[in-house]
Amino acid sequence: GQSLEQPSEVTAVEGAIVQINCTYQTSGFYGLSWYQQHDGGAPTFLSYNALDGLEETGRFSSFLSRSDSYGYLLLQELQMKDSASYFCAVENRDDKIIFGKGTRLHILP
Amino acid sequence: EAQVTQNPRYLITVTGKKLTVTCSQNMNHEYMSWYRQDPGLGLRQIYYSMNVEVTDKGDVPEGYKVSRKEKRNFPLILESPSPNQTSLYFCASSLGTQETQYFGPGTRLLVL
Repeated sequence: GQSLEQPSEVTAVEGAIVQINCTYQTSGFYGLSWYQQHDGGAPTFLSYNALDGLEETGRFSSFLSRSDSYGYLLLQELQMKDSASYFCAVENRDDKIIFGKGTRLHILP
Repeated sequence: EAQVTQNPRYLITVTGKKLTVTCSQNMNHEYMSWYRQDPGLGLRQIYYSMNVEVTDKGDVPEGYKVSRKEKRNFPLILESPSPNQTSLYFCASSLGTQETQYFGPGTRLLVL
């Protein structure tokens, strides 16, 4: 079957660094995306990795290892506004997009 | 402003009463999707469309229909809604399958 696994919840302290992992199993793989969703809001795009390695965008970075079917989202210098749910997503060879169940990030002051 | 719009934003209906949720995008995107979001289950793709007149089932298509007669519009149709279709629905669009998806604001549906 096709699945993405990510932790359901993560807690970190304001100003710290947190990593949210995602492992995937899909029929065909083109790339791994990350989305952020605040309570009551719509998902918004954060990053996309098609190739192995680290992609950096400001305080957020995303990593992909295709050989390990694994990726992670790294959030640095955490701010209270980063409290949200984070979803990884992949596109399979049938052009479907599969999302993980999401990781709820709690930030403590 | 580039955006995806959905209507209505909130809807309460009764079992069996046909309803349509509209979705429109103004970015000339080819790929459009409908998702439902339920607590603990994340976003699950209902239907998607690669282009006009091309639609395909996602992971949870049962009980839903879609159409793509124009590039900008992708309505979701529930012919005979049931309580298990109570959910938060999102429409999304992108240039292609490997491109950034832009989500609409969501439609919260309650089926009694």
